[in-house]
Amino acid sequence: GAGVSQSPSNKVTEKGKDVELRCDPISGHTALYWYRQSLGQGLEFLIYFQGNSAPDKSGLPSDRFSAERTGGSVSTLTIQRTQQEDSAVYLCASSRYIDPLIGYNEQFFGPGTRLTVL
Amino acid sequence: AQSVSQHNHHVILSEAASLELGCNYSYGGTVNLFWYVQYPGQHLQLLLKYFSGDPLVKGIKGFEAEFIKSKFSFNLRKPSVQWSDTAEYFCAVTPGQAGTALIFGKGTTLSVSS
Repeated sequence: GAGVSQSPSNKVTEKGKDVELRCDPISGHTALYWYRQSLGQGLEFLIYFQGNSAPDKSGLPSDRFSAERTGGSVSTLTIQRTQQEDSAVYLCASSRYIDPLIGYNEQFFGPGTRLTVL
Repeated sequence: AQSVSQHNHHVILSEAASLELGCNYSYGGTVNLFWYVQYPGQHLQLLLKYFSGDPLVKGIKGFEAEFIKSKFSFNLRKPSVQWSDTAEYFCAVTPGQAGTALIFGKGTTLSVSS
C-alpha cells in the first residue's frame, strides 16, 4: 500500500467495553509501533514489534492494553474494559528492517484512530 | 528516564518572521534526533533528522535544525515562516541503538498569521 492505514478512523465506545484498533503497515516494513496521542500527555510509546522478535511492551499503561501482530504484518491493539482516560488518538507507525549498523530507519505514521470513551 | 522538553507550547508569528523552536533531551549517550510536523487534519510527517555527521541538518520546506551535543539541544529554525507552516511540531529522540521507539516532546503549536 501507499502508506500506513488504520481503522476505524473514529471509535466511540462506552466505559467498560472492549475495543480493537487495527493497523496495516507499509508492505515490506518489518517494524511496527503503536503510540498514543492525548491532550496534556503528548505522544507516548505503547508497544513495538520487530520481525519475529518478542515485542517491546514497556510502554503499555496497564494490563488492559495488549497488541498482536499476525504474520508479521497487520497489528491489532486491544483495550479491555475501556476507561475515560483511554480517550486519545492511537497512532501506528512502521519502518523497514533496522540494520544495526545504521541504527534507525524512518518511521512512517498512519492517520490514527480517535477513540472516545463515554 | 529519557525525556524530551519543548520549551514553547504555543508560538504565534506573522508571515516572514523567523522561527526557532527549542528542544532539549535528557540522555547521555549517542542519540538520533528528529523533528516531526503535523499539519491540521494530516498525518505526522518527518521534517528532518540527525543521525551523525554535520550537526546542522536541513529538512523539507526550508527548515533546519542544529544539534549541539554539549547543550543536549536540537533546535528547529526557519528564517522566514509562511502561513502554510501553521502546524504542530514535535521533537523526538531515540537512543543510538537499533529498534527503539521514538520519545516525543509534548509539541509546539505554531500559528502563523498572514
